[in-house]
Formats: sequence, structure tokens, C-alpha cells
Amino acid sequence: AQRVTQPEKLLSVFKGAPVELKCNYSYSGSPELFWYVQYSRQRLQLLLRHISRESIKGFTADLNKGETSFHLKKPFAQEEDSAMYYCALHTGGFKTIFGAGTRLFVKA
Amino acid sequence: NAGVTQTPKFQVLKTGQSMTLQCAQDMNHNSMYWYRQDPGMGLRLIYYSASEGTTDKGEVPNGYNVSRLNKREFSLRLESAAPSQTSVYFCASEGWMDDKFYEQYFGPGTRLTVT
Repeated sequence: AQRVTQPEKLLSVFKGAPVELKCNYSYSGSPELFWYVQYSRQRLQLLLRHISRESIKGFTADLNKGETSFHLKKPFAQEEDSAMYYCALHTGGFKTIFGAGTRLFVKA
Repeated sequence: NAGVTQTPKFQVLKTGQSMTLQCAQDMNHNSMYWYRQDPGMGLRLIYYSASEGTTDKGEVPNGYNVSRLNKREFSLRLESAAPSQTSVYFCASEGWMDDKFYEQYFGPGTRLTVT
């Protein structure tokens, strides 16, 4: 079955602390994975994609096919990082499966 | 460019009423999507349209119908609203970036309450 699991509904960290948002996927093919973010009162937008191996706003995510994971990491969290984060799996055939989301709260 | 626009932003319906959610994009994208967002369940795909003239069911299509009116517009219709359809609805379109990556662009959402 094709599935994206984000085990944490809420993650609360202090400003300056490292943050890791977990994402695990289940997919038999070659996965294409994304992280989307939704800031307060803003629309959902793409944060980063695994294929481009980029760092956006200090966030990185590495695809680990052995562990079927695509965790999102940032070494030093900022208050403006507080948002809802969704891990997403593009399965081809014009379908993208989203995880349930993790709300990140960065405390001052 | 306005990107993806949705109307209305808010709507309250009574059980059994019908309504259509409108979505339009000005990015010349072929693919368009309708999702619903519920707490603890993330975004679930209702219907999608890979290109003008085609529509397909997603994960949770029951109780909904869609129309791809033209390349720009993709509407979602609730024929007989039920309380279980209380949700936030997002429209999205998908396009290629620099001919290398595709990306979904989302509308601002419609918050629907069915009483």
C-alpha cells in the first residue's frame, strides 16, 4: 500500500534547538518525496523536494531508501519556522499522497 | 499572476443543500486537484484532472462531483451536503519548474461547515 506516515502531530522545540520532523513512506516504486509547509494564514507551499537535494530556509531532508524515510531537519530552529509541515509522496499517475502533518511550534 | 484562486473562502450549508466550489489557475497548468484537509488526516485527494477534458477519482470521491470546464477552471460540487463533509477544501494545480521538477500550487482554501 502507498502510504506516508508522520508520527508526530505536534513538535515543540526551543529557539536555537535542532529540529527533526519525521516522515516514513511505503511505496514499491521509486519514490519522489516532498515537504510542503503551511504558515499561519498562508497557503500550502512547497518547501523542498528530495530530487534537488537543496537546502531551503536552513532545512534539509535526505531520502533513506533503506529505512524508507525522508526526515526534515534543521540545526537551529527559528520562531518563524512555526508552521504545519506535510510530507508528500508523488506516486506517478498524477497522484500525490500527503501525510497527516506535523505542527511545529518553536518557543522563544 | 494570481496563481490558484478559490471561491468562496467560507461557506455554511445545511444538510442536504448543494453547492459548487470554484477553482481557477492562470499558470497554464494541465493538472488540477481537489483535496480536503481534516485534523489528524492531512490532505486527502478527492478528484483530479490530469488534463482538460479528463477527471479521475482520488482517495475520497464519494459525495462529490467535479467538472474541468476548461484548462483554467476545475470545480467541485457537493450535490447533497452531509456533516461529514465539513472540512477545508484546497484546490491545486501542478506544473513543471524549469522543465525539471513538478510542483503543486495551492489555492487559499475554502472552509466549509455543514450543519
